[in-house]
Amino acid sequence: DAGITQSPRYKITETGRQVTLMCHQTWSHSYMFWYRQDLGHGLRLIYYSAAADITDKGEVPDGYVVSRSKTENFPLTLESATRSQTSVYFCASSTSGRWVREQFFGPGTRLTVL
Amino acid sequence: AQSVSQHNHHVILSEAASLELGCNYSYGGTVNLFWYVQYPGQHLQLLLKYFSGDPLVKGIKGFEAEFIKSKFSFNLRKPSVQWSDTAEYFCAVNARGRTNFGNEKLTFGTGTRLTIIP
Repeated sequence: DAGITQSPRYKITETGRQVTLMCHQTWSHSYMFWYRQDLGHGLRLIYYSAAADITDKGEVPDGYVVSRSKTENFPLTLESATRSQTSVYFCASSTSGRWVREQFFGPGTRLTVL
Repeated sequence: AQSVSQHNHHVILSEAASLELGCNYSYGGTVNLFWYVQYPGQHLQLLLKYFSGDPLVKGIKGFEAEFIKSKFSFNLRKPSVQWSDTAEYFCAVNARGRTNFGNEKLTFGTGTRLTIIP
């Protein structure tokens, strides 16, 4: 049972480049989420998705784009990377239902923008 | 919108000491509450959760938390910590609502770094 995986685990890129972080889950969870983790800020929600083709902004969406053509995949794209986007990015998923269930987290991607 | 406060940014304890990490949230309605742990270099894992019922919730590895509605608090406790409890701890809250979409988001606190000295 692979669960939730992220790739790459580490990425170094330059300012202005486009970067895509991948997230894949094998549980068929309806909901998927992207967070960034920064010292002093904890986890902040970037985007989330309730199902394929349904996405919405979170707390810090600027500079990011998401898509969800398939239930199991939820890629996050930095269209033109900036140094302020240097962070650790976590993908998470949860089951559907009236009330939220626990979110299951991937191993994270450490992104450095030079 | 809900918010979560974790006032202890860094806690240092000796092994066998008792632990209490504070978590306060601001939201007037019904909430689901969570504590997650992140061991060094690892992803977040669920420690425990509260949805309803007994306000004293027991989780994994001997952790427990008490929901006190009147204080908007969900403090994490452990009677005797171990070196392996060294980690970062996050409190999270989800506000229940009448609609399905949009209430699945978790709002996280900024985290408390716990260092256990052998």
